[in-house]
Amino acid sequence: GAVVSQHPSWVICKSGTSVKIECRSLDFQATTMFWYRQFPKQSLMLMATSNEGSKATYEQGVEKDKFLINHASLTLSTLTVTSAHPEDSSFYICSASRTSVYEQFFGPGTRLTVL
Amino acid sequence: GNSVTQMEGPVTLSEEAFLTINCTYTATGYPSLFWYVQYPGEGLQLLLKATKADDKGSNKGFEATYRKETTSFHLEKGSVQVSDSAVYFCALTVGAGNNRKLIWGLGTSLAVNP
Repeated sequence: GAVVSQHPSWVICKSGTSVKIECRSLDFQATTMFWYRQFPKQSLMLMATSNEGSKATYEQGVEKDKFLINHASLTLSTLTVTSAHPEDSSFYICSASRTSVYEQFFGPGTRLTVL
Repeated sequence: GNSVTQMEGPVTLSEEAFLTINCTYTATGYPSLFWYVQYPGEGLQLLLKATKADDKGSNKGFEATYRKETTSFHLEKGSVQVSDSAVYFCALTVGAGNNRKLIWGLGTSLAVNP
């Protein structure tokens, strides 16, 4: 149990377009979802924390108007990268929690490449 | 500030060799410590954890002991298998309530050869 999926697993887009990434908890209800970004050979960087039905809490330095997070239900959160630029190219990982922050279940990640 | 430092990889071992991946941390207060593992093509998953000093976390033959005096949480396994090939992340939690978050190390890639 406790499976988290992400879609798409990879995406290539043109500069200036917007890209939406979905994160779903398949067999449990997630009260909290997390979005991370991972650069090559670097650790995971928490971008934002979202609770179902409320606005996401963004980490310092993360532009909330550029990285739109919606957590509309207990099983789905979306991250939209708006007006993407090549520097947004990265590996984006979501996780979901139903109890505490360290009981997070991770999705397999989405590789975004902006041309 | 709060941070996690783990040994750089990649680490390459032969099957049945002894594994140690070093992890040290800097944190205010009393963090909980974790090891996560990411197998090829899969999401991160919790391997083991320890929530207070001198606790030992263990799972799948892996062990790590929370050493407050040396601020360390080294991962060990007595006899690795090919199936242990993965990337291992050391992490800690700080904060309380809704401010609680995971702080990650860079990850250490392990390759086990038959």
